[in-house]
Amino acid sequence: QKEVEQDPGPLSVPEGAIVSLNCTYSNSAFQYFMWYRQYSRKGPELLMYTYSSGNKEDGRFTAQVDKSSKYISLFIRDSQPSDSATYLCAIPLPGGYQKVTFGTGTKLQVIP
Amino acid sequence: KAGVTQTPRYLIKTRGQQVTLSCSPISGHRSVSWYQQTPGQGLQFLFEYFSETQRNKGNFPGRFSGRQFSNSRSEMNVSTLELGDSALYLCASSSKKIMTVTDTQYFGPGTRLTVL
Repeated sequence: QKEVEQDPGPLSVPEGAIVSLNCTYSNSAFQYFMWYRQYSRKGPELLMYTYSSGNKEDGRFTAQVDKSSKYISLFIRDSQPSDSATYLCAIPLPGGYQKVTFGTGTKLQVIP
Repeated sequence: KAGVTQTPRYLIKTRGQQVTLSCSPISGHRSVSWYQQTPGQGLQFLFEYFSETQRNKGNFPGRFSGRQFSNSRSEMNVSTLELGDSALYLCASSSKKIMTVTDTQYFGPGTRLTVL
């Protein structure tokens, strides 16, 4: 079983829609959860991180963790064409935070 | 401040050959990590170097190796290339010796390797 599984998409939504991106993970010991955004022909960039359970909000983005079901989500409100990218969930593994396991990514397209 | 640079950006090789990829971290960053990205497996951790020492290693065969120089630049080498090695190879740098989840790794644009 992979450490983290991500809904593969792709997703295509109209501008202004609410987007929900989801991942599940296998190890209940995981504590930190991250979301990266990767534009075409670019490397990933850290978008948000959360610790343990609950929600974290940053502008139009909300990251949510449900440790009881080992489920993590990223919500994007009022989606914009500039949000079109691949979104990757990521979890640091034991051994240091440089060693990170990523989901396969969900490609999002926001249509004007 | 210049970002992470990787060279070359694109590379085509044939099976059995070897390849060396280069990564220059952001000035002042001493930690360099390497990742392989494929559509099926996503981003997978290869290894991480700090001050010329490999500190972490992912689950890749010994054909994948790397090193870091005293100026923090890093290279990774893949010997005896296989078709399945076709991927985007990304490196990321960070400034801290002990990273926390809040310390950002800055990724380069990657090297797209195609093995024919």
